[in-house]
Amino acid sequence: GQSLEQPSEVTAVEGAIVQINCTYQTSGFYGLSWYQQHDGGAPTFLSYNALDGLEETGRFSSFLSRSDSYGYLLLQELQMKDSASYFCAVKGGADGLTFGKGTHLIIQP
Amino acid sequence: NAGVTQTPKFQVLKTGQSMTLQCAQDMNHEYMSWYRQDPGMGLRLIHYSVGAGITDQGEVPNGYNVSRSTTEDFPLRLLSAAPSQTSVYFCASSYSLDRGYGYTFGSGTRLTVV
Repeated sequence: GQSLEQPSEVTAVEGAIVQINCTYQTSGFYGLSWYQQHDGGAPTFLSYNALDGLEETGRFSSFLSRSDSYGYLLLQELQMKDSASYFCAVKGGADGLTFGKGTHLIIQP
Repeated sequence: NAGVTQTPKFQVLKTGQSMTLQCAQDMNHEYMSWYRQDPGMGLRLIHYSVGAGITDQGEVPNGYNVSRSTTEDFPLRLLSAAPSQTSVYFCASSYSLDRGYGYTFGSGTRLTVV
């Protein structure tokens, strides 16, 4: 099976940079994904890493180290609208996508 | 494009009742899944399908049934509702989970079992 660990809550200041970490255990590995979910809304896909290194998409970047079974999501120039929950997810073998329990990001003005 | 459409958006059931949560996508995606979301538990996989006629169990399949007769539709059936099934249910679809295509989620069904 698969399991993922991420902090339950992170607090940051508007305009700053924040990093949300994720460690995973999986019997097979087909990539690490990140999703954003605002309160009352549906999750939306942010990024995907299959190979080691950093992937950048605008203000958001995602990093993967397969040897450490570790990844992180980096959010730059934080805006109040970035207040949300962020989930890492992994697909291993023939199973469907397994999600972590989510990190609630609180942004203070 | 409608994306992923879930119905109903809200539902209240009595213990022991059965019902079907509908999910339809118009993106010709092969992968479809059902998740439930409970406070502090993240998204837990109930059942998933990699194509029409193919389904498999996820992490929490007990009390739920699925079928996939067409590429577009993936209904979730609650056989005999229990209060423990009170949750928010999300249907999701993807072109491929192996090559960086993420899930597109429906807007969710908020189910309360009394």
